[in-house]
Amino acid sequence: DGGITQSPKYLFRKEGQNVTLSCEQNLNHDAMYWYRQDPGQGLRLIYYSQIVNDFQKGDIAEGYSVSREKKESFPLTVTSAQKNPTAFYLCASSIVDNEQFFGPGTRLTVL
Amino acid sequence: GEDVEQSLFLSVREGDSSVINCTYTDSSSTYLYWYKQEPGAGLQLLTYIFSNMDMKQDQRLTVLLNKKDKHLSLRIADTQTGDSAIYFCAERMDTGRRALTFGSGTRLQVQP
Repeated sequence: DGGITQSPKYLFRKEGQNVTLSCEQNLNHDAMYWYRQDPGQGLRLIYYSQIVNDFQKGDIAEGYSVSREKKESFPLTVTSAQKNPTAFYLCASSIVDNEQFFGPGTRLTVL
Repeated sequence: GEDVEQSLFLSVREGDSSVINCTYTDSSSTYLYWYKQEPGAGLQLLTYIFSNMDMKQDQRLTVLLNKKDKHLSLRIADTQTGDSAIYFCAERMDTGRRALTFGSGTRLQVQP
């Protein structure tokens, strides 16, 4: 089955901790994206990558970091510098310049 | 600049048609998309339209694009309770960033 997986589905973080959200795809897509969704709002772009070993900041990159060492993987780290990290995080992938396909999301809650 | 706007809420009766509207500001948008999100889930691509088209139909879904007014709509015929969800429009440009810019979503409630 081809698709995008995100883990974990729910994640709880204590103040001051870094946490890493996983995103894996087996669609052979070159491009991958991370979005943040807050209640009643649309999606905001955190980071994106159009090719392995390269990534770009989106609109709200502060307090987040990413890596793209493999084509199929694009993990997102939420650092302690992110002051309000509680949100729903969505990963997507695409063939460059084509429609994006989304994973099921990770809900992060700061305790 | 990039800005996509949608009304927040729409309520219809089962069997009626639903029309969800979206406006965008960037005339260089080349593709416009409609996504559906059910509670606690990711986004599901419903359909998309290229900017040189006026209309696209796919089963119960009809997309209309008025490029002059930068207005996009999604019509769902014979709306069912399973269509209750949040619907997002998104635009993509062929210059610069090439990522999608999303509206804030329209919550569609279908009453039996």
